[in-house]
Amino acid sequence: GQNIDQPTEMTATEGAIVQINCTYQTSGFNGLFWYQQHAGEAPTFLSYNVLDGLEEKGRFSSFLSRSKGYSYLLLKELQMKDSASYLCAVKDSNYQLIWGAGTKLIIKP
Amino acid sequence: GAGVSQSPSNKVTEKGKDVELRCDPISGHTALYWYRQSLGQGLEFLIYFQGNSAPDKSGLPSDRFSAERTGGSVSTLTIQRTQQEDSAVYLCASSLTRGVGEQYFGPGTRLTVT
Repeated sequence: GQNIDQPTEMTATEGAIVQINCTYQTSGFNGLFWYQQHAGEAPTFLSYNVLDGLEEKGRFSSFLSRSKGYSYLLLKELQMKDSASYLCAVKDSNYQLIWGAGTKLIIKP
Repeated sequence: GAGVSQSPSNKVTEKGKDVELRCDPISGHTALYWYRQSLGQGLEFLIYFQGNSAPDKSGLPSDRFSAERTGGSVSTLTIQRTQQEDSAVYLCASSLTRGVGEQYFGPGTRLTVT
């Protein structure tokens, strides 16, 4: 079967750096997405990786290793507004998005 | 331009009643998806439309759930004979096509079955 694994919850301190890991086992691979979802709101797109390596976008970076079935989202200079759930999703060989359960990130002052 | 819109934003219904949820995708997006999200849980895929092709209904949890997409644009998700376990947020998303582009989500409809 297809599976996406991410930690359920993480805690970090304002101003610090946090890395949220995602491992996947899917039928084929056509890209990996990270979404941010604040409580009570819809998910919003953060990043997309289809080739190995690091994609940087401001304070957020996303890394992919296809051979290891592994990705991480790196958040730098954490702000209180970064408290949210972070969803990892992989597009399989049928271009269907397989979603992880999400990682709830708690930022403490 | 306008994003994905959904209506109603909130719906409270009695057990056994039918409900209709509406989604207006981004103009020009041919792919449309329905998801369900229970409190504190991940996204559960329900159904997917791509243009005029037959929809992928593999995620619908029971035959009480159905959806249609008229004219390749607006979609309606219908839940018949609602049950308490149907209570959740129903999210609609659209993308350029299934193979291209990220999904853009609407604000969701919070359904409560009493």
